[in-house]
Amino acid sequence: LAKTTQPISMDSYEGQEVNITCSHNNIATNDYITWYQQFPSQGPRFIIQGYKTKVTNEVASLFIPADRKSSTLSLPRVSLSDTAVYYCLVGDNWTGGSYIPTFGRGTSLIVHP
Amino acid sequence: GAGVSQSPSNKVTEKGKDVELRCDPISGHTALYWYRQSLGQGLEFLIYFQGNSAPDKSGLPSDRFSAERTGGSVSTLTIQRTQQEDSAVYLCASSLARTDYEQYFGPGTRLTVT
Repeated sequence: LAKTTQPISMDSYEGQEVNITCSHNNIATNDYITWYQQFPSQGPRFIIQGYKTKVTNEVASLFIPADRKSSTLSLPRVSLSDTAVYYCLVGDNWTGGSYIPTFGRGTSLIVHP
Repeated sequence: GAGVSQSPSNKVTEKGKDVELRCDPISGHTALYWYRQSLGQGLEFLIYFQGNSAPDKSGLPSDRFSAERTGGSVSTLTIQRTQQEDSAVYLCASSLARTDYEQYFGPGTRLTVT
């Protein structure tokens, strides 16, 4: 089971781009990388998922280098409402194996005015 | 459309009592997960259901915890003889299928054991 490592916390300011990097050195060939966002007193919310290179949606971008041993969630021009905990998950849902979603402690992002 | 709902939103119980937590997943979602989140911690996987298959109970912390899912829809998580360390937010999530990475979470039930 691939283990992930993320910074415990990050600070930023409104309007800045925020990059949160997740390390997953033991990622397996079939593993996908998924990011979730959690606001206080709410359940996590799916942000983005990818396998390699770059994925972009209306919320964020996900950059995955060729060796796939890390990934970077990029939030463009953050606002105060982006203050949340961000979780990186790695696993394989597709082969019907024993993938258990492991959320860890995530990265607590605080956006300042 | 309606999201995942959980009830009650808050539950205070005395140590030693049994509690039942309910989860109503999104209609049509075949996969259902239960997690526990203690204060300031990440989510701890408890159990998942996929359709009519036997549930994966590998995350249940003790035999005081059990869960069932009736008719492939509503699920109930039961904690018997509650202990203070059971105090946490219990989150339920559902997804279209076991192979779907996008899980939809409910608002959670905050359990306090006094």
